[in-house]
This record gives sequence, C-alpha cells and structure tokens, in this order.
Amino acid sequence: DAGVTQSPTHLIKTRGQQVTLRCSPKSGHDTVSWYQQALGQGPQFIFQYYEEEERQRGNFPDRFSGHQFPNYSSELNVNALLLGDSALYLCASSLIGQGYEQYFGPGTRLTVT
Amino acid sequence: AQSVTQPDIHITVSEGASLELRCNYSYGATPYLFWYVQSPGQGLQLLLKYFSGDTLVQGIKGFEAEFKRSQSSFNLRKPSVHWSDAAEYFCAVGFNTGGFKTIFGAGTRLFVKA
Repeated sequence: DAGVTQSPTHLIKTRGQQVTLRCSPKSGHDTVSWYQQALGQGPQFIFQYYEEEERQRGNFPDRFSGHQFPNYSSELNVNALLLGDSALYLCASSLIGQGYEQYFGPGTRLTVT
Repeated sequence: AQSVTQPDIHITVSEGASLELRCNYSYGATPYLFWYVQSPGQGLQLLLKYFSGDTLVQGIKGFEAEFKRSQSSFNLRKPSVHWSDAAEYFCAVGFNTGGFKTIFGAGTRLFVKA
C-alpha cells in the first residue's frame, strides 16, 4: 500500500517564475491538504481539496492555487515566485470526515533564487 | 484565533533520561490534539492524537501525552530517551470548519547526548 508520494523531491526556481508541485494521496484517501514549512518553523496550512474543489484555505495569497484530479491526486501551483516562497511543501491526505487521520508525504524542497 | 505554542525552541537531554515537551493551545472548544515527529529531510510522522476520553494517551515509540483542559496543555512525555529520538517535534491542533484544518506549533528540536 503506497503512502503519500510527492514530486519532485527538490527543485530550484528563479524569482518571478511559476512552479507546480504534485501529490498522490494514500490509497483510498479522497482529501488532500497542502502545507508550507519554512526553515525552522512549523508547517502552515495552505489549502485543502476534496471533490476537486478547494474546501478550506489558510492565509496565503492568490499566487498559491491548486487543483485536484478525479483520481484524487493534486497539484499546488505558485505563480510569481518570491524568495520567501523557499520552503518544504508538504502534502497530506485523509478521508473526508476523518481529517484527523492525516498522512504526510516526504515533501518537496523548493528553493527560489 | 486558534494557536499553538511550544515554548521551548530546543531541548537537550541525556540518553536514558526522561523527556517532557510542552505544548499549549488556544481554541474555544476541545480540539483534536496531535504530536508529530520530523527527522531531517523527512515528512511528518504522527506520534499520537487525542480526541476525547482518557486524557492520557499512548503513542508509538514509547511516547505518551496528557491533555489538561484547565491548562490548555498537551505535553508530550517519554520515560527514557534513546539517541534515535533526536528530531523535531511538533504539537498541532485540528478542528472542523467545513473541512478539517490543522494548525502547528513552531516545533521543539530535541538533542540527545550520550
């Protein structure tokens, strides 16, 4: 049973560019949440997707957007990258109604230069 | 607003010694409470969680945590620390608002000395 997978593992982008991160949820899960973890800090909730719609959103600008596909996988898109967007981006999956049982992926390390 | 406070940025304990990591939360009702561990370069692993019932909860790797409503605390404990416990520990609060949302504390880095 595959857990939560994320790709790529690492990537380096330049300020102003756009980036797409991908997440495949744990088998059987239908809900995906994204978190940003800056160096030395705890993860911060970006948003959550269920039934291909954004259900919850944290305090992040519109430059951060997402998508969920019919197979429950998800993408996180960040436009107009800033140096401050450099962070570990974590994806977590769960079953709707059981959001307390989140499983986290290993994360994608984004570096913006 | 909901928040989680972990007052200790880092803690150093000797191998075999006991451990207590502190966590305080701010929320209007009894939330879901979690402790996660993160090793360098890795994702988060759930150690234990509390929803209701017995206020002392047991988790994996010999960890336990106690919920104290009067103090809005959920401290993590381990009677005897192993070198492999060195990692970053995060306390988190979860709640339902049309979708489940989790708020994390800033974390406590645990160092274990021989």
